[in-house]
Amino acid sequence: DAKTTQPNSMESNEEEPVHLPCNHSTISGTDYIHWYRQLPSQGPEYVIHGLTSNVNNRMASLAIAEDRKSSTLILHRATLRDAAVYYCILRDGLKGAQKLVFGQGTRLTINP
Amino acid sequence: EPEVTQTPSHQVTQMGQEVILRCVPISNHLYFYWYRQILGQKVEFLVSFYNNEISEKSEIFDDQFSVERPDGSNFTLKIRSTKLEDSAMYFCASSERPWAQEGYTFGSGTRLTVV
Repeated sequence: DAKTTQPNSMESNEEEPVHLPCNHSTISGTDYIHWYRQLPSQGPEYVIHGLTSNVNNRMASLAIAEDRKSSTLILHRATLRDAAVYYCILRDGLKGAQKLVFGQGTRLTINP
Repeated sequence: EPEVTQTPSHQVTQMGQEVILRCVPISNHLYFYWYRQILGQKVEFLVSFYNNEISEKSEIFDDQFSVERPDGSNFTLKIRSTKLEDSAMYFCASSERPWAQEGYTFGSGTRLTVV
């Protein structure tokens, strides 16, 4: 499975944008880039996913590099409720049911 | 918004006892999963389930573990003889389709403490 690399932790201030990076230099052409987050004492929560084009939804935006070897999850205006561990995960679009492989993720701290 | 519901939220059991963790997936979802997270560690895949059979299981999912969908709504994880190292958060997840174009919905988890 292609691997992802994320910083262990990041810190930001409330109401400011947050850019969470993810490197996936061995990504294959059929891999989708998924982001999940895990709030304290909660299960993982799906945030967003994309293949090649940038994506927006009500939670966040996903910016994907042209060579697809990296991506950035963007929280446009962070709140205290966005403090969580954020996971960048690759999923092969050619496979059916497949497990999610979680790494250590990035622990995001939001300062008031 | 539809939710995956897990019960109980916290279970304490004695070593060697059997436990059953229960999950109610989202009603129109067909694919079901169990994951676990030992305190301070990564979220780990245990098993995936579709059409009343296991699709994939990890090395963790040994003969002590079993899964079942006893009726149209529940999805259960049974640990036959619990060990201290089974203490963890157990998360159930479901998805309508298994494709990489969709995300999974996770429950809030059951904290299992084996004493």
